[in-house]
Formats: sequence, C-alpha cells, structure tokens
Amino acid sequence: SQKIEQNSEALNIQEGKTATLTCNYTNYSPAYLQWYRQDPGRGPVFLLLIRENEKEKRKERLKVTFDTTLKQSLFHITASQPADSATYLCASLGNFNKFYFGSGTKLNVKP
Amino acid sequence: NAGVTQTPKFQVLKTGQSMTLQCAQDMNHNSMYWYRQDPGMGLRLIYYSASEGTTDKGEVPNGYNVSRLNKREFSLRLESAAPSQTSVYFCASSQDVRQNTEAFFGQGTRLTVV
Repeated sequence: SQKIEQNSEALNIQEGKTATLTCNYTNYSPAYLQWYRQDPGRGPVFLLLIRENEKEKRKERLKVTFDTTLKQSLFHITASQPADSATYLCASLGNFNKFYFGSGTKLNVKP
Repeated sequence: NAGVTQTPKFQVLKTGQSMTLQCAQDMNHNSMYWYRQDPGMGLRLIYYSASEGTTDKGEVPNGYNVSRLNKREFSLRLESAAPSQTSVYFCASSQDVRQNTEAFFGQGTRLTVV
C-alpha cells in the first residue's frame, strides 16, 4: 500500500542551527510533495510545494528537496528560531485523488 | 476572510449517540476533505470529495458517512459513536486536489466519546 512516512521522534536543535526533516514515500511515485506546519491546537498551514521535476525549492529560510531516486524529500530550516518550534508534516496525492499526510515530526528549537 | 469553518469546536458524546460535524469554506474550492488526528498517528483521511457531487472513502471510513451538500459545505456524520472515535477532526479544502493545490484547514473539532 502507498505510504508516506516521517520520523516520529522529535528533533531538538539549538537556535541558529539548521533543522533538517525527512519525508519518505513507498509504493508510489508522487508528482509533488507539500510541507505543512502545525502548531498545538491548530490546523496545519501550508508552507511549500515541490514537484517531481524540481530538485530544490526555497522560500526565505525554508528549503525543500525532492529526490525521486531515494524516494525522499528533505525540509530544511536555516538559522532556526524558537518560533520555528512546531510539528511539520509532509503530504502528497496518492491514487484515486487521495491526499495523504505523514505523521509529522515535532521540531523543538532551544534558545 | 473566514476560510474553512468547522462546528462545533468541542463535543462530548455518549457511546451510541449520533452527531454531525459541519464544515463550510468560502474560497470557492472544488475539493474538500475530512481527517482525524490521533496522537502519534498524524492525519488520517476519512472521506473526501474531489468535486461537488462526488464523495469517496479515504483510509479510515468505517463508522462515518459524509454529505457534500453543495460546493461550500461538506459534513461528517457519526451514526453510532464509539470510544475509538475519540479524536480531533479536521476539515480541509483545496482549489482542486488533482491540480496539486495547497489545502486550507479548519481549526478542528475535538470529540470525546465516553
């Protein structure tokens, strides 16, 4: 079955460092991947989309890569700040128009 | 600009009771979705509607029904609530799921079944 997976362990980093989160997919080839941010008690908010023919996408301090060989997307936050602490989810469209999300990775940025 | 509005925000049900979660979007989106979110499980797709007039099952449809009432509204019904349905429910919409467009989420409904 189609799967989109993220590291369920929280990522703890120091302020100013680069955070790198991983999203892996199996048993399908998504045409694109999306990344969302979710704060406690709130719905997810869209951040970035990357298509399969794009190696890299940037938006301010955010960078996303898409490696179709490794079946993986990496999400980077450079110069991280405590305000970046949240859960980050990846998502993609599977068969029959089903829009799937990974389980999310919680990022903790310590001052 | 309201975006996606869900009601109610909180609900406590007794086992066996029924209820309908309401969702409305004002962005003229074609596609709408219902997800549930449990600790450590991420967002799981319950049902979705790719366009007005169509609905399809997601990953975890058992115990739920949906109605795409019109382009704006997509409701989720629990006919006989069970404790396993205790969760946070999110409604979302996007311009068109087939066009890779971003999804917008409501604020969620926290449901407890006792």
